[in-house]
Amino acid sequence: AQKVTQAQTEISVVEKEDVTLDCVYETRDTTYYLFWYKQPPSGELVFLIRRNSFDEQNEISGRYSWNFQKSTSSFNFTITASQVVDSAVYFCALSEATQGANSKLTFGKGITLSVRP
Amino acid sequence: DGGITQSPKYLFRKEGQNVTLSCEQNLNHDAMYWYRQDPGQGLRLIYYSQIVNDFQKGDIAEGYSVSREKKESFPLTVTSAQKNPTAFYLCASSIRGLANTEAFFGQGTRLTVV
Repeated sequence: AQKVTQAQTEISVVEKEDVTLDCVYETRDTTYYLFWYKQPPSGELVFLIRRNSFDEQNEISGRYSWNFQKSTSSFNFTITASQVVDSAVYFCALSEATQGANSKLTFGKGITLSVRP
Repeated sequence: DGGITQSPKYLFRKEGQNVTLSCEQNLNHDAMYWYRQDPGQGLRLIYYSQIVNDFQKGDIAEGYSVSREKKESFPLTVTSAQKNPTAFYLCASSIRGLANTEAFFGQGTRLTVV
């Protein structure tokens, strides 16, 4: 069974600090996909990134970067020079390719990030 | 604008009453999903549907029912059999129900049962 663990529940930083959100996953599939979503106070989840299990290249998008390491089953998310607008709940999620048309996302419990001015 | 619309945003119901949450999408997506969010619990899958007139139970389907009569609509009914219905409900859709497609979410309905 697939599982996503986000051990950090709440993180508070001061603006301009760097912050890393951890994500550890479990799956028996060799082909799977990892996601990060952001949930601002308005409630909807906003897609941030998708990574497949065969692509271990790290990705950078502006102030955001992601570190995928299959050896430790981790897919961590770093925000550089955090801003108040980054305050939100962040979810890591996993889906397995063998589920085919019945694939579904399994989410971690989320990390509440508060960025103070 | 394309997107997913959930209504109402806030819903109050008396214990023992059934209530239906609306979810409509104009993205022409095949797959639709209902998730429940509780504090500290993350998102848990209630039901999902890959095509019209077909749907499958998720991890916590007991006490809920759905229908998928139209591609753009996937209403969720919270029945009186659901023991703890107060929660935040999120509807999502994706182009197709495959593992590598991202889901798009509505703004949610917060249900409070008193």
